[in-house]
Amino acid sequence: QVQLVQSGAEVKKPGASVKVSCKASGYTFTSYGISWVRQAPGQGLEWMGWISAYNGNTNYAQKLQGRVTMTTDTSTSTAYMELRSLRSDDTAVYYCARDVGIAAGGAFDIWGQGTMVTVSS
Amino acid sequence: QSVLTQPPSASGTPGQRVTISCSGSSSNIGSNYVYWYQQLPGTAPKLLIYRNNQRPSGVPDRFSGSKSGTSASLAISGLRSEDEADYYCAAWDDSLSGQVFGGGTKLTVL
Repeated sequence: QVQLVQSGAEVKKPGASVKVSCKASGYTFTSYGISWVRQAPGQGLEWMGWISAYNGNTNYAQKLQGRVTMTTDTSTSTAYMELRSLRSDDTAVYYCARDVGIAAGGAFDIWGQGTMVTVSS
Repeated sequence: QSVLTQPPSASGTPGQRVTISCSGSSSNIGSNYVYWYQQLPGTAPKLLIYRNNQRPSGVPDRFSGSKSGTSASLAISGLRSEDEADYYCAAWDDSLSGQVFGGGTKLTVL
């Protein structure tokens, strides 16, 4: 079945970096994009950015520009999201989602299970 | 503050019809598709409505979406206890060049 499986929970210190993986299965990885969405505890959803699994083009949320990098490895059908210079307000559940649009801004029809990232000294 | 505005809460009794609103602007809802997501407690969001009013396969026809100008709404008819969840609207924003979400509406089935 079509699914996205994410890496496990992480605990990081302020200033460190985190890299979350998202492995796709059950569909042609390069036919879709991957968006990343995060959700702080008790808060709503926040779009972080999008990457085309076809050609690697990216579109990042303005507030995260310079701190986030999204990549893909087509040989393993895996997408990655790296966030640097972590702060306490980066503590959140991070989701990857399959984006059906040919560019950023499509529907997110399949979601990963989420990865909890805790930033604490 | 979210770019798209939703009421923080809504409620209804089983069998009732409930509507959740989502207000935006000309740079998002006014010129792009609206999406709706359902998030059950402790789980990942699920796509409920795409392209304003289309349902993915498997989503009951009790759920419907509409859009008019810079506002959109999600209607749930024949309310059931399992519909108790958080609901989010989303749209692309041309000014921000990014996807924006509403703050979410917590639906309680009384």
